[in-house]
Amino acid sequence: KNQVEQSPQSLIILEGKNCTLQCNYTVSPFSNLRWYKQDTGRGPVSLTIMTFSENTKSNGRYTATLDADTKQSSLHITASQLSDSASYICVVTSDSARKLIFGTGTRLQVFP
Amino acid sequence: DGGITQSPKYLFRKEGQNVTLSCEQNLNHDAMYWYRQDPGQGLRLIYYSQIVNDFQKGDIAEGYSVSREKKESFPLTVTSAQKNPTAFYLCASSTQTSSNEQFFGPGTRLTVL
Repeated sequence: KNQVEQSPQSLIILEGKNCTLQCNYTVSPFSNLRWYKQDTGRGPVSLTIMTFSENTKSNGRYTATLDADTKQSSLHITASQLSDSASYICVVTSDSARKLIFGTGTRLQVFP
Repeated sequence: DGGITQSPKYLFRKEGQNVTLSCEQNLNHDAMYWYRQDPGQGLRLIYYSQIVNDFQKGDIAEGYSVSREKKESFPLTVTSAQKNPTAFYLCASSTQTSSNEQFFGPGTRLTVL
């Protein structure tokens, strides 16, 4: 069964600290993996996208990694800001059906 | 100002009533999607359309209906047959390229009273 699991479910950090969010997937065949940021009550916004051959992708203070062998991805946030408070969703596309499989998200709260 | 819009932002419905959620995009995307988001769950696909006048059921289509008469518009009707309609509804659109990146609207929160 195609699944995407994220951990932790929620995370609280202080402003200025770094954090890493995890994503494990069992989707096959694999096409690409995206990380989305979703502010409360808003639609998700894409942060990064990685294909099978890419193992790291950065977008400002956000750096995503992908290990296609172990089927794991991480999203590292550097020098967190209050505006980073949001849910972060890992999404894997299955190439066979071009279908998106969504993780349940990690809820990040950044406090001053 | 290109993008994807949804209206209304908040919607209240009495049990037994049908209600229609609007989704419009000016990105010239061929494909459009409707998702439902519930607390603690990943987004679930309700319906999708890859071209005008054609649409397909997603994973949880029961109790919902859609139409795609124009490229820009993909309205979703939540019917009285949907037993648990209270949720956050997200519309998305994408091109038909292999990357299949989907751009999301701001969402509509539907509450059944």
